[in-house]
Amino acid sequence: GDSVTQMEGPVTLSEEAFLTINCTYTATGYPSLFWYVQYPGEGLQLLLKATKADDKGSNKGFEATYRKETTSFHLEKGSVQVSDSAVYFCALSGFSGGSNYKLTFGKGTLLTVNP
Amino acid sequence: EPEVTQTPSHQVTQMGQEVILRCVPISNHLYFYWYRQILGQKVEFLVSFYNNEISEKSEIFDDQFSVERPDGSNFTLKIRSTKLEDSAMYFCASRLMGGGANVLTFGAGSRLTVL
Repeated sequence: GDSVTQMEGPVTLSEEAFLTINCTYTATGYPSLFWYVQYPGEGLQLLLKATKADDKGSNKGFEATYRKETTSFHLEKGSVQVSDSAVYFCALSGFSGGSNYKLTFGKGTLLTVNP
Repeated sequence: EPEVTQTPSHQVTQMGQEVILRCVPISNHLYFYWYRQILGQKVEFLVSFYNNEISEKSEIFDDQFSVERPDGSNFTLKIRSTKLEDSAMYFCASRLMGGGANVLTFGAGSRLTVL
């Protein structure tokens, strides 16, 4: 079945440091790929997505490129801020039959950014 | 911005008791989901619901679980006889359309603690 493997944390960085969170996936067909973010005490929010190979999703300074050849969707940000402290989830949307697609999530990576 | 609303935010119950978690999806959405996250573990798919019936369920979603859309706005998850291992954060999600590229919007979650 579909699966997502992402770098386990926690990750602790200083403000303005470069961030990479690795994510690789296993899926049949051509899934869409997502990064969700969960701020403390809140629900899961979509951060960015990519729907086909070589697509780059971007939002709030974060980027991730859909790499079919390496089955990866690594999250990057050039300069993190304290407000980026959260849990980040990589996910894929795989076909389940009919019109049904479901998200399969990675374990999540806790990012803490210190001033 | 439209949002998915979940109640209660936190529920504590005794083992063996019935629990109902409630969700109000975004009003024009057609596909509804429940996910759960046991502390420190992955966000796991439980069930998807479309056109007033379950379209897919995971192995976790056994006979103790049921879902219902009783009145066209609420979407509920019932656990008939809770076990200690049901302690988790439960997330409701909805999406407007089918298709893997369409984004799920999540609620803030309901934390269930079974004693």
